[in-house]
Amino acid sequence: DAMVIQNPRYQVTQFGKPVTLSCSQTLNHNVMYWYQQKSSQAPKLLFHYYDKDFNNEADTPDNFQSRRPNTSFCFLDIRSPGLGDAAMYLCATSRGTGRMTEAFFGQGTRLTVV
Amino acid sequence: AQSVTQLGSHVSVSEGALVLLRCNYSSSVPPYLFWYVQYPNQGLQLLLKYTTGATLVKGINGFEAEFKKSETSFHLTKPSAHMSDAAEYFCAVSPTGNQFYFGTGTSLTVIP
Repeated sequence: DAMVIQNPRYQVTQFGKPVTLSCSQTLNHNVMYWYQQKSSQAPKLLFHYYDKDFNNEADTPDNFQSRRPNTSFCFLDIRSPGLGDAAMYLCATSRGTGRMTEAFFGQGTRLTVV
Repeated sequence: AQSVTQLGSHVSVSEGALVLLRCNYSSSVPPYLFWYVQYPNQGLQLLLKYTTGATLVKGINGFEAEFKKSETSFHLTKPSAHMSDAAEYFCAVSPTGNQFYFGTGTSLTVIP
């Protein structure tokens, strides 16, 4: 019963060629997140959507964009991938504020830039 | 700003020994606190969380953690390590419940 689904699991892209990573959820959660995790590092929050409201972290490069066309789907667009953007990208969801909150993660997409 | 510090990037324990992974948070008010586990090439799985109420929190796979406000700590423990516990463990903080910030992680090795 996959609840947060990321496609593809592995993505290879060329240096400078735009790439889109996909995330869908069956939990009907308000909030969707994108994290970047480089090797042996903590997941770093790039941005999140609370419903349709987009919230960008202050240090997220402009090269990273996101779209959330509806509750279930969220996309991460990398406009011009560089070698330094090779990482695992994790999508997560949460119900929002309150005591019941927790983040549910997908399996991740490992991005390789060649 | 909310942050968490995990002391010890690598911890090794013998099978059957106590597991103790340390996490301290910085916050002017007690945030929501979490422990997640990550296996290679996988997403993160919630072990346990503290939001309000009882300060000793029990999670899955025999793990538990205690929220200590006076020490701004949320250390993770398990009485007896199992080989399957070998993984990366992340402590996380959420100021309001809709943003999650992670520590740098602790890699746990279990020695047979």
